[in-house]
Amino acid sequence: DGGITQSPKYLFRKEGQNVTLSCEQNLNHDAMYWYRQDPGQGLRLIYYSQIVNDFQKGDIAEGYSVSREKKESFPLTVTSAQKNPTAFYLCASSGSRVFPSEELFFGEGSRLTVL
Amino acid sequence: RKEVEQDPGPFNVPEGATVAFNCTYSNSASQSFFWYRQDCRKEPKLLMSVYSSGNEDGRFTAQLNRASQYISLLIRDSKLSDSATYLCVVTGTTDSWGKLQFGSGTQVVVTP
Repeated sequence: DGGITQSPKYLFRKEGQNVTLSCEQNLNHDAMYWYRQDPGQGLRLIYYSQIVNDFQKGDIAEGYSVSREKKESFPLTVTSAQKNPTAFYLCASSGSRVFPSEELFFGEGSRLTVL
Repeated sequence: RKEVEQDPGPFNVPEGATVAFNCTYSNSASQSFFWYRQDCRKEPKLLMSVYSSGNEDGRFTAQLNRASQYISLLIRDSKLSDSATYLCVVTGTTDSWGKLQFGSGTQVVVTP
């Protein structure tokens, strides 16, 4: 079945450590996104990528980094520079790279807790 | 002011009743509008797009009011399984690719 796979689902990190969240899709989508969701808040865009080897900062990119070396993969690294990294991280993809398509397909999310 | 605002609720609805709620947006140039559903601690999933003429999908009706800059969602004959948080999503102009704006969600709780 086609879809988006995020791993790990739950992750605990000590302060000062970098951590990488995996996102893989087999939907053959060009566009991929990373969002962050905090309790009682909407999703906020961290980074997005319209095509392989290209990505753009979203609204809250500071303290995060991404790569897009393969169409299927868009990993997110939460660095020690991110001041408040505890959150629910959602990866998504869409079929359109010209304009946001009508539907975003989300992975099941990764819940990061910094101890 | 947030770009997309929603009443967080919760809206407590008896099973079988009708519930409706709105979402206001600040960018008058916004072009596309959607409702997503998010279950507790799960990922959002598209519920329906919102078209200018209004649209219906079974028990769900979505409407757009461009003059007052809001969209609405109405759920008829509520089921227990409709309990969820409903996210309003608005896209920007063609100059803001990727700039989907999410509301913080309206929680609906359907009670027996």
